[in-house]
Order: sequence, then C-alpha cells, then structure tokens
Amino acid sequence: QQKVQQSPESLIVPEGAMTSLNCTFSDSASQYFAWYRQHSGKAPKALMSIFSNGEKEEGRFTIHLNKASLHFSLHIRDSQPSDSALYLCAVSGVTNAYKVIFGKGTHLHVLP
Amino acid sequence: NTKITQSPRYLILGRANKSLECEQHLGHNAMYWYKQSAEKPPELMFLYNLKQLIRNETVPSRFIPECPDSSKLLLHISAVDPEDSAVYFCASSPRQNNNQAPLFGEGTRLSVL
Repeated sequence: QQKVQQSPESLIVPEGAMTSLNCTFSDSASQYFAWYRQHSGKAPKALMSIFSNGEKEEGRFTIHLNKASLHFSLHIRDSQPSDSALYLCAVSGVTNAYKVIFGKGTHLHVLP
Repeated sequence: NTKITQSPRYLILGRANKSLECEQHLGHNAMYWYKQSAEKPPELMFLYNLKQLIRNETVPSRFIPECPDSSKLLLHISAVDPEDSAVYFCASSPRQNNNQAPLFGEGTRLSVL
C-alpha cells in the first residue's frame, strides 16, 4: 500500500520568501508525481507534475524528484499572499498508474 | 472549472438515499470519486479505468458507483450516515501514456443531519 507523507504540516512565510514543501513516498516504482493547490472551499487544482528524476520549472514554481530517495519537493520563489492555500502532493499507484494517492497536505500562509 | 460538472453542488440529507452525478467532456479514460472530509486530504473511493472498476476496500458498501458511459459517473448512496458528511469530488484523467494529474470537478458538499 503506497504511503505518501508531507512536511511540514503548516508553514508561515513572509511575502517574497522562497517556500519549500516536501513529500515522501514508499515505492520507487511509482510512475508520476504531482503537486496540487487547494484554496479554502475550492477543488484541488494541479500545479505541476513530473515523471522522471530531475527538476522542472514553471514560472515561480519548481518541482524536484529523486526516486532513489523516495522524495519530491515543490519550491515557490517570491511567495505571494495569493499562494496561501493547502498544498497536496500526489503519487500514482504502482500496479495501477491511475490510482492517485494524496498526502495530508501542507497549509501555507504567506504574510503580506 | 466547467470541464467536469457535478450535481448537485450542495446536498442536505437525513437518513435517505441519493445519487451524485458527474460528467466530463474531455475524452478522458479514467474517472474517480474522491471524498474529502474536513481538514483531511482527498481520499480515493473508486476509480473507473476504461469502465473497469477499482475500489477502495475501506469504503462502506452503502456507496455504489456506476459508470453508464465513458463520460459519466454516478455515486449512489443509500441510508447516509453522519460520517458521510464531506465534499465528494469527481475527477478524470486521460490515457496512461499522456500521464496527466487528475482534473477535479467543483465537488458536491454533502451534509448529513
């Protein structure tokens, strides 16, 4: 059974700071890895996903994956108050890539 | 997001039966039901991949999914329980080769009296 864990549980950063969120998973055979953002009362929305080891950058967001370490991360450059939300990491299943499992989330608060 | 539509958006029930509906017009092969309780992450309940059902065995038997065609997903709930109060999200994703993270609908907020 895939286990997905996130850290920290919550994070408060000042506007303009670099924010780093972490996610660990239990099986290196997992096929894809994604970060979602969920504002209060809204649906989760996919931010970025990655399938192979390395880094991927889109605007202020960078995702980094290290399958051997069973770890991937999301970095937000120049954090903005509008980035305040629940961030969920998601990992696909091993035997079924469609089976996407979420971590418990990190609550991010960016102070203006 | 109007690409995945869910109905109803809000539901208040006593101990009754009800069905939630979801429709996607994206041509996606996989459709999901997720349950998100307060202060918790979305939890996968059911997954249809090309109309083949994969279920989370911890989901109570009073929840019955149905996939009448590749664009539509239903969730039948019989005799709801207060612990069923949550937001139920429908999601979908395309073929495995395209590997995209599931896209979520706006959810149905269920409150059980």
